[in-house]
Amino acid sequence: ETGVTQTPRHLVMGMTNKKSLKCEQHLGHNAMYWYKQSAKKPLELMFVYNFKEQTENNSVPSRFSPECPNSSHLFLHLHTLQPEDSALYLCASSQGTGSSYNEQFFGPGTRLTVL
Amino acid sequence: RKEVEQDPGPFNVPEGATVAFNCTYSNSASQSFFWYRQDCRKEPKLLMSVYSSGNEDGRFTAQLNRASQYISLLIRDSKLSDSATYLCAVPGIGGGADGLTFGKGTHLIIQP
Repeated sequence: ETGVTQTPRHLVMGMTNKKSLKCEQHLGHNAMYWYKQSAKKPLELMFVYNFKEQTENNSVPSRFSPECPNSSHLFLHLHTLQPEDSALYLCASSQGTGSSYNEQFFGPGTRLTVL
Repeated sequence: RKEVEQDPGPFNVPEGATVAFNCTYSNSASQSFFWYRQDCRKEPKLLMSVYSSGNEDGRFTAQLNRASQYISLLIRDSKLSDSATYLCAVPGIGGGADGLTFGKGTHLIIQP
């Protein structure tokens, strides 16, 4: 399935590096999301964008900086990360927001390792 | 109460059996509920959406109990390929209106 794609699939970076994760959705959706999945913890919502506007920031540290240039693309810019930020970062999209439109479809994720 | 809580796993079930697990949620105002399936090292895939009392799709049935604030997932005639982690997700919890709050998941192992 290629509804939601993410690149890169794997990333290893040092604590002083700057990198970006990219997500693209081909479903004609208007809302996009970033989630973090760490070992032995549930998926955690990070950011929500609806029609390119950020509608939720779930108390995410500023070393994570999202960008949504249009409804099809979402980026997560990373800088000065910590080893505990190592996790699977998942992008999702939905038709819209609100209870009737909130079926979210996930990309394959970027597995990030911070050394 | 934790925001979204699921039955602890793993559930070890023989092939062909029926298995059910529950998910409790803290926000009584939640209107929609989702079950996702996640295979090892893969992304969650949407399995079922629940907007009213329940939903059925082939061997899978989801039921909602608003009074007790839980949803259940029932799998009939289980297959080896049903082995996975099943995640319950509810929007509108934790201060946000749109993002999903997930449970930790229930790990299901179907044995031949």
